[in-house]
Amino acid sequence: GEDVEQSLFLSVREGDSSVINCTYTDSSSTYLYWYKQEPGAGLQLLTYIFSNMDMKQDQRLTVLLNKKDKHLSLRIADTQTGDSAIYFCAERANQGGKLIFGQGTELSVKP
Amino acid sequence: GAVVSQHPSRVICKSGTSVKIECRSLDFQATTMFWYRQFPKQSLMLMATSNEGSKATYEQGVEKDKFLINHASLTLSTLTVTSAHPEDSSFYICSAPTRQGANTEAFFGQGTRLTVV
Repeated sequence: GEDVEQSLFLSVREGDSSVINCTYTDSSSTYLYWYKQEPGAGLQLLTYIFSNMDMKQDQRLTVLLNKKDKHLSLRIADTQTGDSAIYFCAERANQGGKLIFGQGTELSVKP
Repeated sequence: GAVVSQHPSRVICKSGTSVKIECRSLDFQATTMFWYRQFPKQSLMLMATSNEGSKATYEQGVEKDKFLINHASLTLSTLTVTSAHPEDSSFYICSAPTRQGANTEAFFGQGTRLTVV
C-alpha cells in the first residue's frame, strides 16, 4: 500500500536554509505536494512537483525529487521565524484523487 | 487559488449529541470532497470521500453510521458526527480538488476543532 514517511522535527536558526525530507513508496505517484500547517489552521499548499520532473524552484522554495529512490525534499532558503509550522508532504494516490500524507515535520526557527 | 470554507471553526458539544460540519467550495464546483481527521501532532487520516449525488466512500475502520456525510450540492458537503463521545474530539479538515491547468490540486478548509465534553 501507499506510505509516506517524514522526520518529525527540524530546528534551524533564522537566515539558515531548512531541508525537510520525505520518502514514499507508491511508484505510480504522479504528483507530490508540500503543505504548510500553522497551529489550529488548515493546510496551505506550498508547491508541488510532477513525477517526471526532478527539481522545481519557487522563490525561496526548492523541491528536489529523486524518483529512483522515491525521495522528495523541500528546501527553504533564508528561513524566517514565520516559516515555523508543520510541513506535510503528500502523494496523489493512483486513483480517486485522494492524497496520502506523511506524518508532518515540525519546523522550529530560532531567532 | 480556489477557496474552501469550513464551518464552524470550533465547536464544543455534550456527549451524546450530534454535530454538523459544513465544507463549501466558494468559487468552484466540486463533485468530490474529502474529509480528514487529525489528532494532535499527527498526520491527516482520510475518513471518507464525499461524492455529489451518490453515497460517500468510507475508509476502512471508519463507522459510516457515526460519521454521516451528505454531498448536497456541487459546492457543499457536510459531515455529521452522531452521538458524539469524548474520543471523537479531534480536528476535522475537508478538502476539495479542482483542476488547475494540467494538475488537480486539493484545496483545504480551515478545519474544525471538535471538543466533546
